[in-house]
Amino acid sequence: GENVEQHPSTLSVQEGDSAVIKCTYSDSASNYFPWYKQELGKRPQLIIDIRSNVGEKKDQRIAVTLNKTAKHFSLHITETQPEDSAVYFCAASIPGANNLFFGTGTRLTVIP
Amino acid sequence: GAVVSQHPSRVICKSGTSVKIECRSLDFQATTMFWYRQFPKQSLMLMATSNEGSKATYEQGVEKDKFLINHASLTLSTLTVTSAHPEDSSFYICSALPGQTLISYNEQFFGPGTRLTVL
Repeated sequence: GENVEQHPSTLSVQEGDSAVIKCTYSDSASNYFPWYKQELGKRPQLIIDIRSNVGEKKDQRIAVTLNKTAKHFSLHITETQPEDSAVYFCAASIPGANNLFFGTGTRLTVIP
Repeated sequence: GAVVSQHPSRVICKSGTSVKIECRSLDFQATTMFWYRQFPKQSLMLMATSNEGSKATYEQGVEKDKFLINHASLTLSTLTVTSAHPEDSSFYICSALPGQTLISYNEQFFGPGTRLTVL
């Protein structure tokens, strides 16, 4: 099955700085890559996703890039704010199965 | 739209008892629902895929006789933890996959989770 690795496990940034989280996946058939934000004890919230036919997608302060050849994708958060502090998970999905394989998570702390 | 509910939100039970958790898609039909388990400070681990009208597909290492899944309708899937033990204490989250008529193919919508504590 698919194996998704995520780095770093923890990340602290100053408010206003950028944060970058990286993920790699193993199955070249994966075609859907969502990113989730999860606050303590709450459900994961989809913040952005990208499909394999696109290399980059941006939504205000959040962007995701995908390199299919290298099988890695990254989340970029610019102008970070304290409310961005949470655990972020990347995931990958194989067509047909629709299962989501999650990365191990990154705890982001934005220091005011 | 695309709201998923879970009930109960928290449950505490004695070792050896069974606990049922419900997952409902409130405003869409979901032929497929997923059940995840999340231990503290860890990632979501897929336990099983629940398909309406058929048997669930369990991930390797998940005991199907211990974690009973029923997907009796297009809006309801249930997970029953049988003979619960303290090591089953965890955060259980479901997600629902709507049909292609809705927003975004592939996107799953998560329930709020159920915190299970087995004493």
